[in-house]
Amino acid sequence: DAGITQSPRHKVTETGTPVTLRCHQTENHRYMYWYRQDPGHGLRLIHYSYGVKDTDKGEVSDGYSVSRSKTEDFLLTLESATSSQTSVYFCAIGGGAGELFFGEGSRLTVL
Amino acid sequence: TQLLEQSPQFLSIQEGENLTVYCNSSSVFSSLQWYRQEPGEGPVLLVTVVTGGEVKKLKRLTFQFGDARKDSSLHITAAQTGDTGLYLCAGASSGGSNYKLTFGKGTLLTVNP
Repeated sequence: DAGITQSPRHKVTETGTPVTLRCHQTENHRYMYWYRQDPGHGLRLIHYSYGVKDTDKGEVSDGYSVSRSKTEDFLLTLESATSSQTSVYFCAIGGGAGELFFGEGSRLTVL
Repeated sequence: TQLLEQSPQFLSIQEGENLTVYCNSSSVFSSLQWYRQEPGEGPVLLVTVVTGGEVKKLKRLTFQFGDARKDSSLHITAAQTGDTGLYLCAGASSGGSNYKLTFGKGTLLTVNP
């Protein structure tokens, strides 16, 4: 199994509070991704990183920011959480042939 | 925006039956991947197909990439309860220096004993 750890695995928060999700990898992969998964929408890319301090937006980036200060860590921040951001968030690392290895997910509920 | 349509969206069958799920697009992909996701877990890669017309077999699972590299199918022979899960296809765009994938919405397969 690819060494990907997401934290926290579950979080309940209130509207307007900041939330940070962490993804840690031990595989030294250059590419890292944050996806959200929602019923009826499938997996949608939020942000991705192609190196330390190199990030770019995905298709649903509004309301989210990311940071990557070290190869092994990719942080996803919701500056002011909203109920529409209730979702399951997956971190993934990119393999050399384009395949992805996913973490176990972080379930976020915004009340 | 590239889109991948998966069908059927839901499939419930009895153990021992055969099934096929489809992944279709109007766009050409450099490669196409299939993932399986079980409840509470992240998707796990099953296979990557790269060449138009390619067929890959993984035990009872057969994957095919269309000749024009716009579509793919997954056929399961003699389904087992352990095959239950969400099957996702994902297409990789050619060119560029990253590996952004376009995911279909998935086929939720339930295999009943």
